[in-house]
Amino acid sequence: DAGVIQSPRHEVTEMGQEVTLRCKPISGHNSLFWYRQTMMRGLELLIYFNNNVPIDDSGMPEDRFSAKMPNASFSTLKIQPSEPRDSAVYFCASSFLGDTEAFFGQGTRLTVV
Amino acid sequence: GESVGLHLPTLSVQEGDNSIINCAYSNSASDYFIWYKQESGKGPQFIIDIRSNMDKRQGQRVTVLLNKTVKHLSLQIAATQPGDSAVYFCAENGVNDYKLSFGAGTTVTVRA
Repeated sequence: DAGVIQSPRHEVTEMGQEVTLRCKPISGHNSLFWYRQTMMRGLELLIYFNNNVPIDDSGMPEDRFSAKMPNASFSTLKIQPSEPRDSAVYFCASSFLGDTEAFFGQGTRLTVV
Repeated sequence: GESVGLHLPTLSVQEGDNSIINCAYSNSASDYFIWYKQESGKGPQFIIDIRSNMDKRQGQRVTVLLNKTVKHLSLQIAATQPGDSAVYFCAENGVNDYKLSFGAGTTVTVRA
C-alpha cells in the first residue's frame, strides 16, 4: 500500500480564494482524520470520520472550513474563503480503528497571501 | 485544562549514545499512548505505542516506558543514529476515544 496520499503537496493562493485539499486513506481503514499543524498550536485535530460519517467536527475553526468523505477512499477539506491565518500544513491520517495508531500522509503546505 | 506536554523542547545527542525523550500527561483517563517521529517536510510517522495496562514495551532500538503513577511517558532510543534526527511527539487518547492529543514535540539533533 502506498500509504495515505494527499494532494497537492503545496498550495499557494490569494486571500479570498477557495482551497480544496484532497486525501486518499489507506485501503481498509475506516477512520479518517484531518489535522492542522502550525508552529504556534502544534498538531490540532480538525475533524474525524468513521465509516465515511463525520463524527466530530468540533475542531473545525469556523464555517469557512468544511470536510466531506463521499466514499471510503476519498476525502476533501475545503476552505472558502481562505485567509492568511489559514496558512499551515494540513495532514490527513487514517487508521483501522479510531483508537489505534493513525498513519499520516505527507501533508499539504498551504500558504494564503 | 488537561494537556499532553513535553519537558524539553530540544535534545542534542552524540551519535552512538542513548537518547531519552520525556513526556508528561495530565489526563488520568488516558488509555493509549503513541510516539511519533516527524522528519522535516514529512508527516508524523508511528514509532511505538503502549496501552495503560503495560508499563514497558520494546521495539527495534526503541523502548517506551509508562509510569501511570506520575503520569509520565518516555521514549528511549538505543545507539542513536543520524537518521534519528527529527521532532518526536507523544500522543494520547482515552478509552474508546479517537481524539489523539499531541504534545508540543521535542527536536532531537544527533551530533556526528
